[in-house]
Amino acid sequence: SQKIEQNSEALNIQEGKTATLTCNYTNYSPAYLQWYRQDPGRGPVFLLLIRENEKEKRKERLKVTFDTTLKQSLFHITASQPADSATYLCALTTDSWGKLQFGAGTQVVVTP
Amino acid sequence: SAVISQKPSRDICQRGTSLTIQCQVDSQVTMMFWYRQQPGQSLTLIATANQGSEATYESGFVIDKFPISRPNLTFSTLTVSNMSPEDSSIYLCSVEWDRGRSETQYFGPGTRLLVL
Repeated sequence: SQKIEQNSEALNIQEGKTATLTCNYTNYSPAYLQWYRQDPGRGPVFLLLIRENEKEKRKERLKVTFDTTLKQSLFHITASQPADSATYLCALTTDSWGKLQFGAGTQVVVTP
Repeated sequence: SAVISQKPSRDICQRGTSLTIQCQVDSQVTMMFWYRQQPGQSLTLIATANQGSEATYESGFVIDKFPISRPNLTFSTLTVSNMSPEDSSIYLCSVEWDRGRSETQYFGPGTRLLVL
């Protein structure tokens, strides 16, 4: 069966350090992969999208890598800030109709 | 991007009743989706709301339990029918507003439902 796995344990990190989150998937051939941020009581907010033929994408302090051989994406938050504290979700789609399958998310806690 | 609102933002309902959730977008969008997020879990797609035709449901979700309407390109409703405590969840609508320019989805704030 298809699975998307994210580390269920919260990631506690000190302000200024780099947070690295992992998204592993099995039995998928995703067309592209997305990362979303979700704050408590709110809907997810889109952060970055990376396609199957792309290795890396950056946006400000965020960086995503995509290794279709390892079936893994890494999400990096550099120079982390307390405002980065949230749950981060990875989502995959295999078709052109926009159906997203989400991982369970990893909570990030950045302490001053 | 699109601005999405949902009504109600939260509700407490009795077992056996039904609740209709509204999703309003401030611009016309091609695709609208409904998700469920159970406590402590991630989002699960319920269905794709199709304008002018029946919704497309994912495995495990049926029209009798979750009837969906989409009368135009800016509005959709999801009804949770004959509710049980297991339906307690956050229900979110999302939109993909211009396929071909962006495959990202924008989410509403969610409707928090508690069934007693």
